[in-house]
Formats: sequence, C-alpha cells, structure tokens
Amino acid sequence: DQQVKQNSPSLSVQEGRISILNCDYTNSMFDYFLWYKKYPAEGPTFLISISSIKDKNEDGRFTVFLNKSAKHLSLHIVPSQPGDSAVYFCAAADQTGANNLFFGTGTRLTVIP
Amino acid sequence: KAGVTQTPRYLIKTRGQQVTLSCSPISGHRSVSWYQQTPGQGLQFLFEYFSETQRNKGNFPGRFSGRQFSNSRSEMNVSTLELGDSALYLCASSLIPTSGTTYEQYFGPGTRLTVT
Repeated sequence: DQQVKQNSPSLSVQEGRISILNCDYTNSMFDYFLWYKKYPAEGPTFLISISSIKDKNEDGRFTVFLNKSAKHLSLHIVPSQPGDSAVYFCAAADQTGANNLFFGTGTRLTVIP
Repeated sequence: KAGVTQTPRYLIKTRGQQVTLSCSPISGHRSVSWYQQTPGQGLQFLFEYFSETQRNKGNFPGRFSGRQFSNSRSEMNVSTLELGDSALYLCASSLIPTSGTTYEQYFGPGTRLTVT
C-alpha cells in the first residue's frame, strides 16, 4: 500500500515559469516531509524539507507547502530552469524516529528552454 | 568530504544466484539505510543499520539481508535471486538516526542489478 503518492508521473514547464509538483500521503503519523531530486545514473539528492509544525519552507527558488488537513504537500520551483529537469521524489517520515523514509513514485519534470 | 559510495555500480546475475552489494557512508555517518527502486514503485525501504545493529526493516522477504561493520560500511545480500529482484539498489547514510531530528539522508549512486 503506497502511503506517499505522486499522481503525476510527468510534468512539462516552460523555462522561467513556475513548476508545481504535488504529493499526497495517507499516514497521519508522518511528521517530516522531504523532496529529493534525481538525475539519471545518480542517487537522489536532498532538496528541501518541512516539519509538520510548519506550513511553508522556502530555500531560494524552492518552496514546499504543507497542508496537514488535506494530507498534501507541494513543491514550487520559481523560476524553473532547464537544469531542474529531473525526477522529483516526495518522501515522508513518521514519529517513531526510525530512519525509514516512505517515498512516492516520483514525477519527471522537464523544463523546456 | 567524499559522498556515499556503492560498489559495484552494475551487476548481472542469473536466477538462483546470490549477490552482495557494498556501501561506504559519508565519513562520520553511522546510520546506513538501503532502498530498492523499481519502475512504478518508487523507492522502497529495505533496512537500516546503526552501530552494527539492524534498527528497522521494511517489508521484504528474508532473502534480503544486510550487515554493518565497525567502520559503518554496510553490505546487503540477496540470496536465491528472482527476476523481480532486478532493480536499482540505493544506499543512504545519515548522521544520527534519532527521533525528532532531521531525517535528511544522503544517497549513493546505486547499484543496478539485473537478474536474467
């Protein structure tokens, strides 16, 4: 049973525009959420995270929004750049403290120059 | 600081064989987690090791096992390989796996295992 879902397998955006990647989760015990970016032939790279006590976290061009009541989070990239083209994974961790991340299936972002 | 390294990068095995994959974490990181990535399934957690002890285990059969050495390096072993074991196996290391801290994990490039 997939506890973290990314329902859009792919997304194409023009360079300079906003990219919005979405993620839903089902487990109300999740209290920490992360986004990873993955290029081909490389492991996922940590991008940005958010604790459940916040509803927004910003780092440069990347902003993550968390809506706990809807069990939904999103990653906004503004402005999008061709180098942002990659697969983006949403991940969540629960309150047990175990170092076990639950990942979504990923969204492939293509930024068109 | 060197990143997480995994060896080998690519591996081809036949059904029924066993395989051992290796992971060296970032210096100073004592927690090592293993994930399996297959198309359409995302990354699935296999197990985590900390201080040479398995702390947590995902929902995988007993054919999947691992261990960690005193220098924090880790190995995972898959016995009696099946076609469905073909996947990218990723290792991730982190500093301190305690509750309430960041769960930021740093991933290696992975080992691509193909079972024929």
